[in-house]
Amino acid sequence: EAGVVQSPRYKIIEKKQPVAFWCNPISGHNTLYWYLQNLGQGPELLIRYENEEAVDDSQLPKDRFSAERLKGVDSTLKIQPAELGDSAVYLCASSLGSATDTQYFGPGTRLTVL
Amino acid sequence: SQKIEQNSEALNIQEGKTATLTCNYTNYSPAYLQWYRQDPGRGPVFLLLIRENEKEKRKERLKVTFDTTLKQSLFHITASQPADSATYLCALPYGGSQGNLIFGKGTKLSVKP
Repeated sequence: EAGVVQSPRYKIIEKKQPVAFWCNPISGHNTLYWYLQNLGQGPELLIRYENEEAVDDSQLPKDRFSAERLKGVDSTLKIQPAELGDSAVYLCASSLGSATDTQYFGPGTRLTVL
Repeated sequence: SQKIEQNSEALNIQEGKTATLTCNYTNYSPAYLQWYRQDPGRGPVFLLLIRENEKEKRKERLKVTFDTTLKQSLFHITASQPADSATYLCALPYGGSQGNLIFGKGTKLSVKP
């Protein structure tokens, strides 16, 4: 069975440019998470979806970040405009849905903002 | 708010020895705690979950303990191998939603042959 797929794996952009990340979760997983991971830190939750509903976006900087999960499957995370401080790894994870279910992570997208 | 501290940023041990990693939390005791492994350039991989009413959990060479009095979890790898070299993260639920996890910074384990 395929794991969580993310693309692109790497992205280099100049500041003030827009960028988008795509995630395809494991088939049948209702819950999808986007995390941000800075170097030497653990992942930090940005947004959590239950099917197509964003149930927790309290940590998402809404002035420049947006996310969507149309049809409750694939998800896209967008930054517009990007800032130097947004350079990080953006991880997507999915789980079946209950609180203690294992979260399965994708490989992440490494974003570099110049 | 809940905070997690993992004992050290790096731990170097000799092959065959037991590695012990520490995870301390500062606020309320969570209903469960999880440990993940992360290799460079990859996302974290789930290893073990231990619930608050469990003192110990084992999986092959891995053992996790959970002491709600000390607010601490210990993660042990016995008979360590160079292939165990990775960063190990502890995570626990926070906030009103038990589905959200807060992660520690991780401990980078290096096992030397």
